[in-house]
Formats: sequence, structure tokens, C-alpha cells
Amino acid sequence: KQEVTQIPAALSVPEGENLVLNCSFTDSAIYNLQWFRQDPGKGLTSLLLIQSSQREQTSGRLNASLDKSSGRSTLYIAASQPGDSATYLCAVLNAGNNRKLIWGLGTSLAVNP
Amino acid sequence: DAGITQSPRHKVTETGTPVTLRCHQTENHRYMYWYRQDPGHGLRLIHYSYGVKDTDKGEVSDGYSVSRSKTEDFLLTLESATSSQTSVYFCAISESRDLSYEQYFGPGTRLTVT
Repeated sequence: KQEVTQIPAALSVPEGENLVLNCSFTDSAIYNLQWFRQDPGKGLTSLLLIQSSQREQTSGRLNASLDKSSGRSTLYIAASQPGDSATYLCAVLNAGNNRKLIWGLGTSLAVNP
Repeated sequence: DAGITQSPRHKVTETGTPVTLRCHQTENHRYMYWYRQDPGHGLRLIHYSYGVKDTDKGEVSDGYSVSRSKTEDFLLTLESATSSQTSVYFCAISESRDLSYEQYFGPGTRLTVT
């Protein structure tokens, strides 16, 4: 059974730091992996989607990497800003079951001015 | 932003009453999902639909039913609300035509059962 873990659960950094959020999964037979952002009291916003055949995806200051063999993905945020404060969630779509995402519990990020 | 709306956005109801939440999309996506989000549990799938009149259960489906009579609408019904169903409910959509199955979320409905 696929399980997704995100470490750390919470992170507090000063503005300007480059930081890495981690996501690990137990079954490497995935179709894709998706990173989301959730602001307090709001819905989820899709940030990046990495297909199983890809190694990384980039959008602005965000870069997500995928290493299927080790069951890991990282979300790299460059030059963090207070506006990046939010909860970041990762979710995997298993190969052969392209209908349901398996979710991590998220990393709550606070970027302090 | 994906065209997904949820109604109502907030609702307070009493134990034992029926409640229906609506999700409406303008994207013509095939798949629609209902999740609940609770502290310490993260996002949990309640039910999902893979086409008109085609639905299946998620991991926490007890006490909930769904219907999808049109591509654009997916209804979640609590037949007899209980306090344990107090939660934030999210609708999501995804599409298989581009082979991405990327999910997009609605703004959520905060439901309180007293």
C-alpha cells in the first residue's frame, strides 16, 4: 500500500533563504507526483506536476525533482519570501490506478521577514 | 484558475439533518472528487466520479452519498449529519485526455454540525 511522508511537518526560516521540502513514498510504481500549496483557510493550488518519466519540473523560483528509485521528491524554493508562507503538500498517483491521489500530511512553512 | 465553484461556502446544521454540497465545474473534466480535510488527518477521499452516473467510494465513504447527473455537477449528500462530519470539504477535478490527471481544487465548504 502506497504511503506518502513529508518531513519536516513544520519549518520556519528567515526571508531570503533557499530551502528544500521533502516528500517520500513507499512504492516506486507511480504515474506522477504533484506538489500543491495551501494558504490558511483556502483551497489547494497545484504548483508542479512531475510525470514518472521526468526528473524535474521548474516554475519560477520553484523546482521539483523526482527520484523514483529511491522514492523521493524534493521541492526547492529559491530566495524565499514571506508570501511563500503556506502549507505545501505532495501527492502521488499510482501507476495502474490513475484516479486517486495518495497524500502526504504537508509541511507548514513560515518565512519570516 | 480552473473553473470550480462550491456551494454553499459555509454551513451550520444540526445533527440528524440532511445536507447537500454542490460542486460545479466549467472545464468539462471527466473526473470529479470529494475530499474532507481535518487536522492531523490531511486530505481524505470520500467519493469520486469518473463520468456521468459513474461513481466509486473513497477511503471514508460511510455516511456519505454522491450523484453526478451532468458532467459539470457533482453532489455530496450527508443523509443524516453527525458531529464527526464537521470538516472542510473540497471538490477537485482532473482530466485524462492530456494524460496528466492533474488535479485542481475548488475553494472548499466549511461545514459545522452542532
